[in-house]
Amino acid sequence: DQQVKQNSPSLSVQEGRISILNCDYTNSMFDYFLWYKKYPAEGPTFLISISSIKDKNEDGRFTVFLNKSAKHLSLHIVPSQPGDSAVYFCAASDSGTYKYIFGTGTRLKVLA
Amino acid sequence: ETGVTQSPTHLIKTRGQQVTLRCSSQSGHNTVSWYQQALGQGPQFIFQYYREEENGRGNFPPRFSGLQFPNYSSELNVNALELDDSALYLCASSSPGNTEAFFGQGTRLTVV
Repeated sequence: DQQVKQNSPSLSVQEGRISILNCDYTNSMFDYFLWYKKYPAEGPTFLISISSIKDKNEDGRFTVFLNKSAKHLSLHIVPSQPGDSAVYFCAASDSGTYKYIFGTGTRLKVLA
Repeated sequence: ETGVTQSPTHLIKTRGQQVTLRCSSQSGHNTVSWYQQALGQGPQFIFQYYREEENGRGNFPPRFSGLQFPNYSSELNVNALELDDSALYLCASSSPGNTEAFFGQGTRLTVV
């Protein structure tokens, strides 16, 4: 039972354009959501997070949007840069457990 | 401030053997979680340790066990290795009141 889903295994975007990565979840107990970026041979790097009391959080070029009614979140990267090419994982937690449930990842390729 | 470090980075074991993986948490972090990432999948939660006690466990058999030490470093032990245990094992640490976890670079375990 996949509680966190990233339905797009890959995404290609031109440098300078917007990248939009999507994530859906099924468990209404989740109240904290995170995005991690992973390069080959490295561990996941924390990118940005959002609490369920918000619907948007921005950090520089990265913005995460949360739609609780649709159980959907998205990560926007503007403008996309070649260095953003990596696998992006969406994760969710019930803050009472601090256990993360990860999606299967989306491989982003930013073309120069 | 040192980050999360894991050792070894790569390991090859034979089916039926036992393995111990090690993790040093980030300075000031008293919570350590272990994840297994199989090829093409997102990280799967194994268990978490908080102040030397197990604080939650995922859907992994008892042959996966762990320890946390007074300095908050941690070990993951896997007994009776199976071929399907081949994966990247990730350690993540977090601090009290902070939901973001920071990952190490992982240990790539291959069981032959």
